[in-house]
Amino acid sequence: AQSVAQPEDQVNVAEGNPLTVKCTYSVSGNPYLFWYVQYPNRGLQFLLKYITGDNLVKGSYGFEAEFNKSQTSFHLKKPSALVSDSALYFCAVRDKGGNTPLVFGKGTRLSVIA
Amino acid sequence: NAGVTQTPKFRILKIGQSMTLQCTQDMNHNYMYWYRQDPGMGLKLIYYSVGAGITDKGEVPNGYNVSRSTTEDFPLRLELAAPSQTSVYFCASSRLNNEQFFGPGTRLTVL
Repeated sequence: AQSVAQPEDQVNVAEGNPLTVKCTYSVSGNPYLFWYVQYPNRGLQFLLKYITGDNLVKGSYGFEAEFNKSQTSFHLKKPSALVSDSALYFCAVRDKGGNTPLVFGKGTRLSVIA
Repeated sequence: NAGVTQTPKFRILKIGQSMTLQCTQDMNHNYMYWYRQDPGMGLKLIYYSVGAGITDKGEVPNGYNVSRSTTEDFPLRLELAAPSQTSVYFCASSRLNNEQFFGPGTRLTVL
């Protein structure tokens, strides 16, 4: 079975400071990993994904994520937070070897304070 | 491309009524999905489809039905609406192993 955990319901960060949103996963084989962002009253938007290759993945709006196989983590990061980054962030995983849909975490609400 | 479109945007139903949530994608994606999002609960998969004529249950299929007669369309049917089905419903599509594209959602209230 595959699962994903986002241990923080809420992350607060000051504008201009670096931000990290945490994600850990569990799959039986190798993972495909994704981050999505949801702004109020909108659908989810794709930010970035890890399929294979470099462990550091760069995505939209200056976000990046690092795949760490030994820690089964895929934390989302940004060097300098903007107020406009305030949103709900979802991590998702699926097993490369399977044909099952993505499993999403519960989401982490990011608030960037001016 | 319009991407994934959903109709209606909002709907209020009375208990026991039925309705169909429409979802259409114009990206020629084989995979389509229906999720519900309850406050603080993340996304839960209701049904998904890997191609026309093929559907499968997700985590929370009870009270819902789907069909996939074409690649583009994936309607979700609620037969006997219950207050527990009050939620925001999202449709999504993808190619295998690629990111999912989401529609704008349908906010459903059952009173």
